[in-house]
Amino acid sequence: GQNIDQPTEMTATEGAIVQINCTYQTSGFNGLFWYQQHAGEAPTFLSYNVLDGLEEKGRFSSFLSRSKGYSYLLLKELQMKDSASYLCAVREGRGSYIPTFGRGTSLIVHP
Amino acid sequence: GAGVSQSPRYKVAKRGQDVALRCDPISGHVSLFWYQQALGQGPEFLTYFQNEAQLDKSGLPSDRFFAERPEGSVSTLKIQRTQQEDSAVYLCASSLTSRDGYTFGSGTRLTVV
Repeated sequence: GQNIDQPTEMTATEGAIVQINCTYQTSGFNGLFWYQQHAGEAPTFLSYNVLDGLEEKGRFSSFLSRSKGYSYLLLKELQMKDSASYLCAVREGRGSYIPTFGRGTSLIVHP
Repeated sequence: GAGVSQSPRYKVAKRGQDVALRCDPISGHVSLFWYQQALGQGPEFLTYFQNEAQLDKSGLPSDRFFAERPEGSVSTLKIQRTQQEDSAVYLCASSLTSRDGYTFGSGTRLTVV
């Protein structure tokens, strides 16, 4: 099984940079996902990491260190619309490739 | 369709009533997942299909929960004799390949009264 840990809540200022961490424990790691979920809406895919390093996609970047069981999501030039829950999900290579989600980090962006 | 479609969007059920939740995945997506999400929590895995085969149902909380995908496209999650603890958002997700991530539907919010 997996144990996924991420902070419950974070606050940041519009225009700033914020880093949301995720640590996990798993056997047979097979990929880590970040999703954004606005209240009452479906989670939307942000990023996927399976190899160590940084993946950059516009204002959002995601980093993975498999040896440390650690990932972070970096959000730059924060906008008010970035206020949402950010979900870290880890997939074990058990054959059925089912992602297990953390509890999510609620990010509040204020002016 | 363009996205994953779930219906109904909201469902209120009296305790003891049976409910059926529908998921229309993206056309051609082989894998389909059902998750349960309680308020303020992350989605919890319920069951997984590859085409019509249910490969993993280890997350179904009790034998009152049943899922099917008879023709490998539309899936139905059925909950029998609903109880208050079943109140949650039920999310469906589908995927074509692992690299693309999983596309979620908007979910069905079930409230058992």
